[in-house]
Amino acid sequence: DTGVSQDPRHKITKRGQNVTFRCDPISEHNRLYWYRQTLGQGPEFLTYFQNEAQLEKSRLLSDRFSAERPKGSFSTLEIQRTEQGDSAMYLCASSLIGVHWQDEQFFGPGTRLTVL
Amino acid sequence: AQSVTQLDSHVSVSEGTPVLLRCNYSSSYSPSLFWYVQHPNKGLQLLLKYTSAATLVKGINGFEAEFKKSETSFHLTKPSAHMSDAAEYFCVVSAMRFGAGTRLTVKP
Repeated sequence: DTGVSQDPRHKITKRGQNVTFRCDPISEHNRLYWYRQTLGQGPEFLTYFQNEAQLEKSRLLSDRFSAERPKGSFSTLEIQRTEQGDSAMYLCASSLIGVHWQDEQFFGPGTRLTVL
Repeated sequence: AQSVTQLDSHVSVSEGTPVLLRCNYSSSYSPSLFWYVQHPNKGLQLLLKYTSAATLVKGINGFEAEFKKSETSFHLTKPSAHMSDAAEYFCVVSAMRFGAGTRLTVKP
């Protein structure tokens, strides 16, 4: 399967713990996006990368959230000192920016985080 | 600033009848617009996209959408609903701003 993959698919943690999620985009895609989706809502944009450069991070929910894409391939999203309000589905997507600079995104299956 | 409003949180239709899911957008420049579908326990899938080439856009599974600049709208339509169309639909402006979603129910 050459789609976007995310790991783990489910994560249960206790409040105050740190968690890290991984996203592997489609191999030739140069953009990678992170979103958060809560029940009954649309995905909420968090941050995105073009290659290894993080071009937008002002929408990260707090300074407890950080993301990296060190070699322009896979990416990680870390949440420090988790809170119950962080419980949500975290989605990753990738796209290939070409002639149409805002191209379609391909989404992974998501990581469901539950904070107890 | 860019934003998107999906005018109906829930739409219910009978199988075989037309579908209309409404979306209005706000953008300071000509935007790219998308519709995505999310079936239960499945990932988001692109239905169609508008990138200024044509105002009437055809997508997968018989869906289409018309870009109307004067009305700042990008409504999604389908002539005849199928049971498999039951899902959550999201309108997206400029790739990253998602609407709240419209849940489509199809009754037999």
